[in-house]
Amino acid sequence: SYVLTQPPSVSVAPGQTARITCGGDNIGSQSVHWYQQKPGQAPVLVVFDDSARPSGIPERFSGSTSGNTASLTISRVEAGDEADFYCQVWDSPSDKWVFGGGTKLTVL
Amino acid sequence: QVQLVESGGGVVQPGRSLRLSCAASGFTLSSYGMHWVRQAPGKGLEWVALISYDGSETYYADSLKGRFTISRDISKNTLFLQMNSLRAEDTAVYYCAKDHYGDHSAALDYWGQGTLVTVAS
Repeated sequence: SYVLTQPPSVSVAPGQTARITCGGDNIGSQSVHWYQQKPGQAPVLVVFDDSARPSGIPERFSGSTSGNTASLTISRVEAGDEADFYCQVWDSPSDKWVFGGGTKLTVL
Repeated sequence: QVQLVESGGGVVQPGRSLRLSCAASGFTLSSYGMHWVRQAPGKGLEWVALISYDGSETYYADSLKGRFTISRDISKNTLFLQMNSLRAEDTAVYYCAKDHYGDHSAALDYWGQGTLVTVAS
């Protein structure tokens, strides 16, 4: 089965840039989606189709993919960005959706 | 305005069944694929099931081993998840979610608030 690998945690100071990676076999050939989940809340879509932003999501959130790695970049990080982030793809060979294990973003 | 409201969670004994509902408003289920995603306490997100926009296809996580069934009632604009032979490891918050544009690979752009299922004796 297809596996997505994320670092368990990323820490960044306010105002700096955070980069969260998502590794998967040839992930660059798939549509990658990213979700932000704050404690006690439902996930929120922040990036879809690798790099598109839903309406209402700040431009500080951006996504990219290359080869075996997808990335979510958060510029000018704010305290309110602290959350768990998940990447997701549709694995067409197996007809299954796959989530990464999640990355906890800590704002120092 | 899109809204998804789950219901039907609760405490259930191992081996018993439970049916979750997800009432949708602001859009019609017949135009979008719908998913169930669960999250065990303190754990990450786990995809559970998908029903296609036209209801002709359903897909399930391998871990369910045929115990769960996703369905919908278009007349009530409601999504369901029938869960049978429940196990302790099925304990989780269950979310329903709508896909972005009716394709299997589309992102999940709206989520419900979740309903907690606890399997315990």
